[in-house]
Amino acid sequence: NAGVTQTPKFRILKIGQSMTLQCTQDMNHNYMYWYRQDPGMGLKLIYYSVGAGITDKGEVPNGYNVSRSTTEDFPLRLELAAPSQTSVYFCASSYSGPENTEAFFGQGTRLTVV
Amino acid sequence: AQSVTQLGSHVSVSEGALVLLRCNYSSSVPPYLFWYVQYPNQGLQLLLKYTSAATLVKGINGFEAEFKKSETSFHLTKPSAHMSDAAEYFCAVSEMDSSYKLIFGSGTRLLVRP
Repeated sequence: NAGVTQTPKFRILKIGQSMTLQCTQDMNHNYMYWYRQDPGMGLKLIYYSVGAGITDKGEVPNGYNVSRSTTEDFPLRLELAAPSQTSVYFCASSYSGPENTEAFFGQGTRLTVV
Repeated sequence: AQSVTQLGSHVSVSEGALVLLRCNYSSSVPPYLFWYVQYPNQGLQLLLKYTSAATLVKGINGFEAEFKKSETSFHLTKPSAHMSDAAEYFCAVSEMDSSYKLIFGSGTRLLVRP
């Protein structure tokens, strides 16, 4: 009964380094999302996917990339980390859109870029 | 485009008092609306959702919200606050395209005084 699993939970990066935030779900959900949460700003959508092989940009995609090779996995890639990417990142999934089901969130990845 | 405004970044109530967290939305079509709760260092958990059925929606932990189209509001209430209700609360509206992505408000932190 894992739901949405994100790894790592915490990470410190140096400016210019790269990393991949992992997200996997075991609910066979078609839709997956990556959000970032900054204090007082709510959650902003970075990228989303409506199914394997299909991804699209959200509100704040610059500096990030994603892929969706399987239904279960939706990794988020940071190529050249910048201090502005210090944030808490949440992955979420839903089955067919919110009119029938809720969006399930992972526990988050807290990233600090120094 | 859809948007959500939450009035009050912080709300403080005494234990046993009424909780009222305000949310107004902007939508050109009948919206799907949500309230999520986030406990410290946790992901987001769905409290309740409105998907065009009954205008008064009951959720978990004794919370409810009323959809008022004339006021474009979806305020969250609970008759009697408990210490365990202290958390951050987010109102969200679903984008009514094929992405079903959620647009979040900036959040309201609820403080409960003994």
